[in-house]
Amino acid sequence: QVELVQSGAEVKKPGASVKVSCKASGFTFSSYYIHWVRQAPGQGLEWMGAIRPSGDGTTYAQNFQGRVIMTRDTSTSTAYMDVSSLRSDDTAVYFCTREFPGTGYFDSWGQGTLITVSS
Amino acid sequence: QSALTQPASVSGSPGQSITFSCTGTSSDIGTYDSVSWYQQYPGKAPKVMIYDVSKRPSGVSSRFSGSKSGNTASLTIAGLQAEDEADYYCCAYAGSTYVFGIGTKVTVL
Repeated sequence: QVELVQSGAEVKKPGASVKVSCKASGFTFSSYYIHWVRQAPGQGLEWMGAIRPSGDGTTYAQNFQGRVIMTRDTSTSTAYMDVSSLRSDDTAVYFCTREFPGTGYFDSWGQGTLITVSS
Repeated sequence: QSALTQPASVSGSPGQSITFSCTGTSSDIGTYDSVSWYQQYPGKAPKVMIYDVSKRPSGVSSRFSGSKSGNTASLTIAGLQAEDEADYYCCAYAGSTYVFGIGTKVTVL
C-alpha cells in the first residue's frame, strides 16, 4: 500500500537548520510530485512548496523562498526538505504529501514531523 | 498569497445537513477548478474528501459534496454524523502554487 514515512521529531535552536525526510513506498516514486505542508500548533495548514517527479524543478510559496530547499533521491524513494534560519514561529508539524497525477490534490500524507524551535 | 477565507466554526445536529464556504480570489478559485477539501482529526494527517470542486475519491462517503460559484467554493455534509466532527480545510490551485483555507471546525451537537 501507498505509504509516506517521515523522520522523527527534532528540537532546534533559533538560527539553526533542519532537514526532514519522507520515505515513500508502495508506488512509483519517480512519477509523483511531492508537496510539503506545515501546521503550527493550533493553526491551519500552510502549503510550503513542491518538487517535480524528476527532481529537476521546485516551486515554493513566497513565504519560504530563499529559506527552504526541497530535494529528492529517486534511488531511495525519499524526499527531503531543508529549512534554514529557523525562528520560533517555524515551530510546527511538517507533512509531506503526494499529489495525485494531473489532479492537483493530495491523496496520501506522511504522519508528520514536529519541529520545535526554542532557545 | 493570502489564505482562503472559511468560517471558523459550523455546527449541526445529527442527521442535519450543513454547508460552509471557502472564499478566494480571481487568481485561484475564480480561475481554476482545482479545489479540494480535507478532513483532519486532532493529531492526524489530513484526508482528502473532495477534489476538482465536486469529485469524491474512492471510499469517501456520498454524504460529502462540493460546488463552486465564482470565487467561492462550498462543502456540504448531508446526514451529519458524530464521526464528521473534525476540522475541514479547502485548498485551491493558484497557478503553480497552492493555498489552503484557514479551516472550519465542524461540531456535531
